[in-house]
Amino acid sequence: DGGITQSPKYLFRKEGQNVTLSCEQNLNHDAMYWYRQDPGQGLRLIYYSQIVNDFQKGDIAEGYSVSREKKESFPLTVTSAQKNPTAFYLCASTVPGGGYGYTFGSGTRLTVV
Amino acid sequence: DQQVKQNSPSLSVQEGRISILNCDYTNSMFDYFLWYKKYPAEGPTFLISISSIKDKNEDGRFTVFLNKSAKHLSLHIVPSQPGDSAVYFCAARGNSGGSNYKLTFGKGTLLTVNP
Repeated sequence: DGGITQSPKYLFRKEGQNVTLSCEQNLNHDAMYWYRQDPGQGLRLIYYSQIVNDFQKGDIAEGYSVSREKKESFPLTVTSAQKNPTAFYLCASTVPGGGYGYTFGSGTRLTVV
Repeated sequence: DQQVKQNSPSLSVQEGRISILNCDYTNSMFDYFLWYKKYPAEGPTFLISISSIKDKNEDGRFTVFLNKSAKHLSLHIVPSQPGDSAVYFCAARGNSGGSNYKLTFGKGTLLTVNP
């Protein structure tokens, strides 16, 4: 069954630590995206990648980093430079040149303790 | 600068009645619009979409209307059911350069359908 897998579902981080959120897809999609959801803020784009070894900053990239070494994988690292990392993080993918619709993962809830 | 706006954070309707969710946009270059439904702690799921060359698209109980001159679209759910209770996101497709596209989302509207 094709889809997007995000792990872990819940993640706790101490202040000052970097953490990496996993996103894997078996849909053969070229484009992948990371969004952040905060209450009352909707979905805000962090980073996106249209092809392997290439990615672009979204609207709120500060304090985050990504890599795209494989088509199937687009991990997101939340660095200690991110001032308010507690949020719900969503990964999505779509066909090349698409945007006709994203397939989303089930999300990762990150909490800073 | 918010390019996709959902001005109603919440909406409450009775079961069996019509739910109307609204969305406004500012970028005239958007060429495709989508509605997503999201339950708590889950990823959004695609609901219905409409191309900018159309003014209406219908799928079962869900109909999306697009008014390009007003830069406004709406989602109608008839009849509304308790299972429709969720957050609904409006999204618009824009070109981010070359053949690259990305979706811009509104802040969402929480729909509550009361039995």
